[in-house]
Amino acid sequence: GAVVSQHPSRVICKSGTSVKIECRSLDFQATTMFWYRQFPKQSLMLMATSNEGSKATYEQGVEKDKFLINHASLTLSTLTVTSAHPEDSSFYICSGTSGGGHQETQYFGPGTRLLVL
Amino acid sequence: AQSVTQPDIHITVSEGASLELRCNYSYGATPYLFWYVQSPGQGLQLLLKYFSGDTLVQGIKGFEAEFKRSQSSFNLRKPSVHWSDAAEYFCAGITNFGNEKLTFGTGTRLTIIP
Repeated sequence: GAVVSQHPSRVICKSGTSVKIECRSLDFQATTMFWYRQFPKQSLMLMATSNEGSKATYEQGVEKDKFLINHASLTLSTLTVTSAHPEDSSFYICSGTSGGGHQETQYFGPGTRLLVL
Repeated sequence: AQSVTQPDIHITVSEGASLELRCNYSYGATPYLFWYVQSPGQGLQLLLKYFSGDTLVQGIKGFEAEFKRSQSSFNLRKPSVHWSDAAEYFCAGITNFGNEKLTFGTGTRLTIIP
């Protein structure tokens, strides 16, 4: 099946710093990538949808200036949490779809755990 | 509103026993439906999916799911669970074809006891 990787798997940073998370599709071209946030014992919340070469579409309530998303190639999307604060601590998961007539099946990365001190 | 509901927050099953995890959907049209599994601290792995056709879908790791339009359900089943099946299971759906946003259920945590 399609494989998606994320780096780093976990990161600890100081409040006020920025953190970049990479999401790569290893064996397919991801025309669309999604970024999710998951709080402990809860479901995934979609943050934004990004299509290669265009600006991301953010879900209501997600600050686009705080969560910068770049999808510069068909195999790489990045999420940068700017000026991180403790409330940004969470589990961030990306996914990609492989295109074609229907792109319904999303393949998920292993997630990145962010802890902001 | 379009939604996916998992009525059971937590289920405990003995190893070797059968399993059924419930999922109900509320969509105007027949959705595309998925079951994902998440092990602790991990991302989501696709178990199976239903788009159309045969309503009984076979997936990986011995799982299957049946789409029942009359009951608006897409329950996940396994005839005999293994300790390694302990995880969080998410049902998800898509409508608005051309819009690939997944709607997730709240998840069901599966515990396996010896």
